[in-house]
Formats: sequence, C-alpha cells, structure tokens
Amino acid sequence: DAKTTQPTSMDCAEGRAANLPCNHSTISGNEYVYWYRQIHSQGPQYIIHGLKNNETNEMASLIITEDRKSSTLILPHATLRDTAVYYCIVNDAGNNRKLIWGLGTSLAVNP
Amino acid sequence: GAVVSQHPSRVICKSGTSVKIECRSLDFQATTMFWYRQFPKKSLMLMATSNEGSKATYEQGVEKDKFLINHASLTLSTLTVTSAHPEDSSFYICSARKNNEKLFFGSGTQLSVL
Repeated sequence: DAKTTQPTSMDCAEGRAANLPCNHSTISGNEYVYWYRQIHSQGPQYIIHGLKNNETNEMASLIITEDRKSSTLILPHATLRDTAVYYCIVNDAGNNRKLIWGLGTSLAVNP
Repeated sequence: GAVVSQHPSRVICKSGTSVKIECRSLDFQATTMFWYRQFPKKSLMLMATSNEGSKATYEQGVEKDKFLINHASLTLSTLTVTSAHPEDSSFYICSARKNNEKLFFGSGTQLSVL
C-alpha cells in the first residue's frame, strides 16, 4: 500500500497557484518526499523532492511541515499544460527500494 | 535533466506473439532500471527491478517466464512480453536511477494485443 494519501482530484484556474496536499503521517526519518506528475499516456516526470526543508526549483515549490507528516506542492502560476496526475511518494534516497505509487491527485487547470 | 528513451511508444500485435520493449538511459549509466505497468485510470504497478549483469527481481504475482527482462549493459534494459494475450494489453513504463538520485522515466509503451 502507498504510504501517502492525496485528494483524488482538484481544480485550479489558469494563472493561479495550485496547492496540492499530501499526507504521509508514517514517514520515517530517512525518507524523502518526492513529487512526480504524469500527463495522459506519458511516463511520469520528476518535479521536486525534499527531506525536511522547503524546496524550490523552476517547476514548483515543496513545503514540508515541521513534523514531516504532510507536505504541499505549489505550482505558482498554473497553466493548461500543468493538467496531469500528481503523485506524492516517500522513499529512502540512496536506496533502490521500490517506490510505491498511490492514485495521485488529478489536477485540472481550467482556462 | 537525464533522459530515458523507451521504444516503441505504441505496438499492436496478434495474440501469441512476443513483443520486446527497449529502455535506454541516454546520458547516464543506470545500474538499476525498473519496469512498471499501468492500466487505465490506475496507478503504476512495479513489475520488476532490473539490475545490470544479474537476474531481475520480480514482484509477487509477476511471471518471470512471461515477462523476460534483460539488462545487458549499463544503458539498456529490455522487457519482452512472451506469447502475448489480450489481458497483457497495458501501458508499460520503464525508469532508471542515476547513481542514487531521483528516477527518470521513459515515455511509456502502449501495448495492444488483438
């Protein structure tokens, strides 16, 4: 079973920020939080990952709560091309242990 | 970022034939690659872990004689669906890990068995 829970679907207006939550209450101290997204009929695309500090890159920001039991992926200015399924995964970095994929959040960005 | 190439992107075959899917890491060496399958509106399911120079590790319920995996070099892993049947129709995706960094995924292969 996936170690994360996410809302099934979300909507966002184009140009607005999209905030996607993820609960990972059983995360262990050495597990990172990874975010991937999958556009229909394509392979998943890496977005961002973090351990305990907030992270930002050219695609998104990742906010991790102090207790690390939840996180939020922020797409600052959503575009129609951001419509995809977003997966939040926890995994021990530096380890080839398999990733367990949940159902993710289906984000629809509306014009 | 690193690039993983998967080929073919789509294949249609007759029942009973075998289909080979290739996964290449184009700009890095991947000692480990992963193969997934995904049904419509479902999440990715790990099928097997492919290790260069050794036998693949299959997940429970995945038939190793049905889904043959070969990882002959640090840049190439292949998945062969042997004696394909309609129930094998699915979206197959590979991924590769660069050293101990994040996973990079191929673009997927849509297999349709008639």
